[in-house]
Amino acid sequence: EAQVTQNPRYLITVTGKKLTVTCSQNMNHEYMSWYRQDPGLGLRQIYYSMNVEVTDKGDVPEGYKVSRKEKRNFPLILESPSPNQTSLYFCASSLSTGAKNIQYFGAGTRLSVL
Amino acid sequence: KQEVTQIPAALSVPEGENLVLNCSFTDSAIYNLQWFRQDPGKGLTSLLLIQSSQREQTSGRLNASLDKSSGRSTLYIAASQPGDSATYLCAVRRRAGNNRKLIWGLGTSLAVNP
Repeated sequence: EAQVTQNPRYLITVTGKKLTVTCSQNMNHEYMSWYRQDPGLGLRQIYYSMNVEVTDKGDVPEGYKVSRKEKRNFPLILESPSPNQTSLYFCASSLSTGAKNIQYFGAGTRLSVL
Repeated sequence: KQEVTQIPAALSVPEGENLVLNCSFTDSAIYNLQWFRQDPGKGLTSLLLIQSSQREQTSGRLNASLDKSSGRSTLYIAASQPGDSATYLCAVRRRAGNNRKLIWGLGTSLAVNP
């Protein structure tokens, strides 16, 4: 089954404690991205990757890091989480960014930083 | 700067009604427009993708139209069912730049009452 898998689904942590949210897709997609979703602000892109070892900032990259060492995996790293990073996070992938390409999403990770 | 607006923000209808959700965008330079469904606790599911060269797409009881010149798309849901209750999001994939990221509306929260 084609899917994007995120882990964990729920996470409660404290300020400053490094964490990683994993994302994996099994569709051999080139394009992957991370979004955060906040009430009244909608979905905002954090980082994206056009292919292995090619990553770049989205709209709200501050406080986040990513890596793309393998095509299927695109982890999101919070080196020193802060309460303003409490949000619902989604990983997404698509074959490319062409006109026909549907974006697939993971189930989301709800993060609370205390 | 591309902006996407969805009206109404919330909608409540009795079961069986036909309904229309609206999405407008400010820049017609897009690759495609996608409609997604978001259920609580779950990720986003792509419903329909309309390429910029197309006027409409249909899937079952759903029909999406695209009018690039006026910057509008509509999602038509026929014979609504309680299972259609969810938040519906539209997103346009912009043409400009390497990212070609999706620009999102804030969504329409739909409740279909039995």
